[in-house]
Amino acid sequence: KQEVTQIPAALSVPEGENLVLNCSFTDSAIYNLQWFRQDPGKGLTSLLLIQSSQREQTSGRLNASLDKSSGRSTLYIAASQPGDSATYLCAVRKADYKLSFGAGTTVTVRA
Amino acid sequence: DVKVTQSSRYLVKRTGEKVFLECVQDMDHENMFWYRQDPGLGLRLIYFSYDVKMKEKGDIPEGYSVSREKKERFSLILESASTNQTSMYLCASSSRKILLNYEQYFGPGTRLTVT
Repeated sequence: KQEVTQIPAALSVPEGENLVLNCSFTDSAIYNLQWFRQDPGKGLTSLLLIQSSQREQTSGRLNASLDKSSGRSTLYIAASQPGDSATYLCAVRKADYKLSFGAGTTVTVRA
Repeated sequence: DVKVTQSSRYLVKRTGEKVFLECVQDMDHENMFWYRQDPGLGLRLIYFSYDVKMKEKGDIPEGYSVSREKKERFSLILESASTNQTSMYLCASSSRKILLNYEQYFGPGTRLTVT
């Protein structure tokens, strides 16, 4: 069974600092990995999807890297802003349609 | 833009009641999913459907059933609600087209409280 771990569970940084969020998974036979953002009491918003054949994916201030062989992905958020405060979840997909989720990292960016 | 909507944002029900949670997507997606999210446990898959009238159990199907009579609509049913089903329920959908990477899109969630 795929286990997905996100460390740390919570992170607090001053505005302007770069954020580094980690995700690890136990089974490297994945199809893709998706990073989501969740605001309190809301649904999930997809941020980036990175295919198993890709090393990284970028969107604006966000960059996600993937090292499939070691079972790790990292989400970098450059020059953090208070609006980046949210919970960030990673999820991996194997050959079927299902996603396995990590428990998330809750980020607070202090103004 | 993909839109996934859920019938209620907040719901309060009594123990033993039958509860229906509705989800609608407007992107002609084949796959639809129901998850529940609890603190410390993350998102867990309850059921998913890969076509009309087709369903498959997820990781925690006990106490739940589903219905998919139309492609755009996927319903989660709690036959007899219990307090341990108090949770945030999230619906998602995805295409089966490989070029779209099976990316999942989520609804806003329904916070269900069973008293």
